Amino acid sequence: VQLLESGGGSVQSGGSLRLSCAASGFTFGNYVMSWVRQAPGKGLEWVATINGRGVDTFHADSVKGRFTVSRDNSKSTLFLQMNSLRAEDSAVYYCTKDAFGGIVTNDFDVWGQGTLVTVSS
Amino acid sequence: QSALTQPASVSGSPGQSITISCTGTSSDVGFYNFVSWYQQRPGKVPKLLIYEVTYRHLGVSDRFSGSKSGNTASLTISGLQADDEADYYCNSKTSSTTWAFGGGTKLTVL
Repeated sequence: VQLLESGGGSVQSGGSLRLSCAASGFTFGNYVMSWVRQAPGKGLEWVATINGRGVDTFHADSVKGRFTVSRDNSKSTLFLQMNSLRAEDSAVYYCTKDAFGGIVTNDFDVWGQGTLVTVSS
Repeated sequence: QSALTQPASVSGSPGQSITISCTGTSSDVGFYNFVSWYQQRPGKVPKLLIYEVTYRHLGVSDRFSGSKSGNTASLTISGLQADDEADYYCNSKTSSTTWAFGGGTKLTVL
């Protein structure tokens, strides 16, 4: 089971980035997937979650209206579209998989290595 | 500011037991049984230890246990080992559509 994030980089405040997470080793469409971020030297912050079929999405208040989680089950890929980026969005963004198929529990049993997003003002 | 409160640091000697608390409210930790715990060693990605308050994830040592009383969830590590030195985070469902992590606790093994 592997998760590989890409798409991070440096962007100016107000800009946009699209993160991707390529999944392998499990039946992607059967699992809830999420994004969790961690600013340098800081704690973990839940960002967004999407159910297996991509019908239900959930976003933290801090990113609601600016970030959108989505998925392409045919390509086993998770996405995070990030618009109107702010300096406080600078962090390593981790793609995570729920431990169990079915309902959203946000028990993150598999984590990618993360992709760094830096927003400069 | 995290919705869930954890002590910034705890410490213990090898062989001892320590407990890390995660305090929320009657709307999150006290309401939902979706509390999980993660261990993050320096430079590594987090690792799931406990899910749904008390269940140990596959392969996790039985030295790790979880519990909840009222609005406070707890992670107990017994038989402390040097290898347990890490940051520990709780995570809880906080509403029908949101989740939150605690601020994290740094465990030092003396």
